[in-house]
Amino acid sequence: DTEVTQTPKHLVMGMTNKKSLKCEQHMGHRAMYWYKQKAKKPPELMFVYSYEKLSINESVPSRFSPECPNSSLLNLHLHALQPEDSALYLCASSQTTAKGETQYFGPGTRLLVL
Amino acid sequence: GEDVEQSLFLSVREGDSSVINCTYTDSSSTYLYWYKQEPGAGLQLLTYIFSNMDMKQDQRLTVLLNKKDKHLSLRIADTQTGDSAIYFCAEGGSGGYNKLIFGAGTRLAVHP
Repeated sequence: DTEVTQTPKHLVMGMTNKKSLKCEQHMGHRAMYWYKQKAKKPPELMFVYSYEKLSINESVPSRFSPECPNSSLLNLHLHALQPEDSALYLCASSQTTAKGETQYFGPGTRLLVL
Repeated sequence: GEDVEQSLFLSVREGDSSVINCTYTDSSSTYLYWYKQEPGAGLQLLTYIFSNMDMKQDQRLTVLLNKKDKHLSLRIADTQTGDSAIYFCAEGGSGGYNKLIFGAGTRLAVHP
């Protein structure tokens, strides 16, 4: 089983709202990732968690706040977003963050900020 | 710096072979990946090749790696309409952590 699940599939929020995206995997992976993908562009890495600790933040604005409550779950808390933050948010996981470990992606949450 | 380049569009007839090409710059990459993305969906891992291999075959998919020229290709035999999607080439394992560097993606259109 190489499944990564994400909820919700779609989300519409206003600029003053607070919402959360959720990601789950049961493959025993200890590395989890958040990516942002704008239309017609490749995914861009946002955050990397290794053994439930944040190891990489790719200079993401503080209105995006990641959280890893346990080894299977990864959240992305959203607050005071801008319309340009509208995108597909992809979660991925891999065994570890060691170089070359294969990353498995979820189906994504399509976010629209009004 | 790290860079991955792909042609943006490929159109093939159903039943023909498709070849999607990719070039990369980082010779220290450990693995090279092909991901498929259908409209509105996430990324599906299709196949990958370790950097010390030059070919990998998996059913209708053949990956060729020319490490000297830093050129990677994905051949899809007997292309079907269900293969219509965007195909991303990615290099992984360069740098200090498991960061994937993606190409811009090649949109494959399969027509009857």
